[in-house]
Amino acid sequence: GAVVSQHPSRVICKSGTSVKIECRSLDFQATTMFWYRQFPKQSLMLMATSNEGSKATYEQGVEKDKFLINHASLTLSTLTVTSAHPEDSSFYICSASRVGLSGEQYFGPGTRLTVT
Amino acid sequence: KQEVTQIPAALSVPEGENLVLNCSFTDSAIYNLQWFRQDPGKGLTSLLLIQSSQREQTSGRLNASLDKSSGRSTLYIAASQPGDSATYLCAGGATNKLIFGTGTLLAVQP
Repeated sequence: GAVVSQHPSRVICKSGTSVKIECRSLDFQATTMFWYRQFPKQSLMLMATSNEGSKATYEQGVEKDKFLINHASLTLSTLTVTSAHPEDSSFYICSASRVGLSGEQYFGPGTRLTVT
Repeated sequence: KQEVTQIPAALSVPEGENLVLNCSFTDSAIYNLQWFRQDPGKGLTSLLLIQSSQREQTSGRLNASLDKSSGRSTLYIAASQPGDSATYLCAGGATNKLIFGTGTLLAVQP
């Protein structure tokens, strides 16, 4: 159990376009979902925390109008990168915490975004 | 603000050796401490979770310890195998948010 999926796994888009990434908890309900980004040879940096039905909480330095997060249900959160630029190219990873349990986070396989 | 550091940054060992990876954190008010494995270009695989009230967790050849007073966690890998080669990340925080360490790149030579 505790499987998290992401779609797409890889996306290439042109500069100025928007890209939506989905994160789903497949076999459990997630009270909270988290979005991270990872640049090459670096560690993961938390971008935002989202709770179902409420607005996401963004980390310092992350533009909320550029990285739109929607957490419409207990099994789905989406991250939309708006007006993407080459510097947004990165590996985006989501995670989910189960309802009422230890707070352990289960991670998705990641989405490789390349903006040309 | 929580900061998490991992030493060493890279480690190469011959197959069969036991090894220890270190993780240090600045805020002892830690909620959970998780160890992960990441293969190149892939997502994270959770290895062990230590809750704040616990001192260690074991899974197979892996043992992780947590010492909140000293701000340290260690991941012990017994009888290392080439398949253990990956980047190992620790992460923790004072809330349910995880702050990740810089990672240790492990290479186990056959």
